[in-house]
Amino acid sequence: EAGVAQSPRYKIIEKRQSVAFWCNPISGHATLYWYQQILGQGPKLLIQFQNNGVVDDSQLPKDRFSAERLKGVDSTLKIQPAKLEDSAVYLCASSLSRAGAYGYEQYFGPGTRLTVT
Amino acid sequence: LAKTTQPISMDSYEGQEVNITCSHNNIATNDYITWYQQFPSQGPRFIIQGYKTKVTNEVASLFIPADRKSSTLSLPRVSLSDTAVYYCLVGERDGNNRKLIWGLGTSLAVNP
Repeated sequence: EAGVAQSPRYKIIEKRQSVAFWCNPISGHATLYWYQQILGQGPKLLIQFQNNGVVDDSQLPKDRFSAERLKGVDSTLKIQPAKLEDSAVYLCASSLSRAGAYGYEQYFGPGTRLTVT
Repeated sequence: LAKTTQPISMDSYEGQEVNITCSHNNIATNDYITWYQQFPSQGPRFIIQGYKTKVTNEVASLFIPADRKSSTLSLPRVSLSDTAVYYCLVGERDGNNRKLIWGLGTSLAVNP
């Protein structure tokens, strides 16, 4: 079974530029998550999708971050414009659990390491 | 919003049993407690999940008291390859909503 795919693996941009990350979840997984992980910290949930609907985006900085999952499969996370503090690893995960179901067995991709200079 | 609390770091030796406790005082009703392992430059990997009492699989055990406000991950006979960061994940009540809350993680160092 193929795992969660993410691209690119690494990205270096200058502040005020824009960047996009792509994620393809495990086939059949209805729930998709985007996390931001700053070095030395736990993952911070940015947005959770159930199929193509948003379940939770309370921690997504909506003035600069956006995410979509148009067909309920793959997803794109965008940052525009980037700030220095956005330097982090962006992780995508997927799970079988439906929104509102209460087990969180998530499968993670390798992540995208973003450096903003 | 309440946070989960774990020890920042732990040290152990090969062959020992390691117990890592996470407190989650505001866990949402019907939410499971899930533990993950993370190696450098990788995404977290699922270890074990439980709702109450004790759960055991091939790599770990999870102990959850009746009030479910804490949980303990038990790793039997650790090896050097168990050196990693361990996170507990719960859903916590936030008004009428439920939020996924990750702890800061426990950095486990297994020494020879």
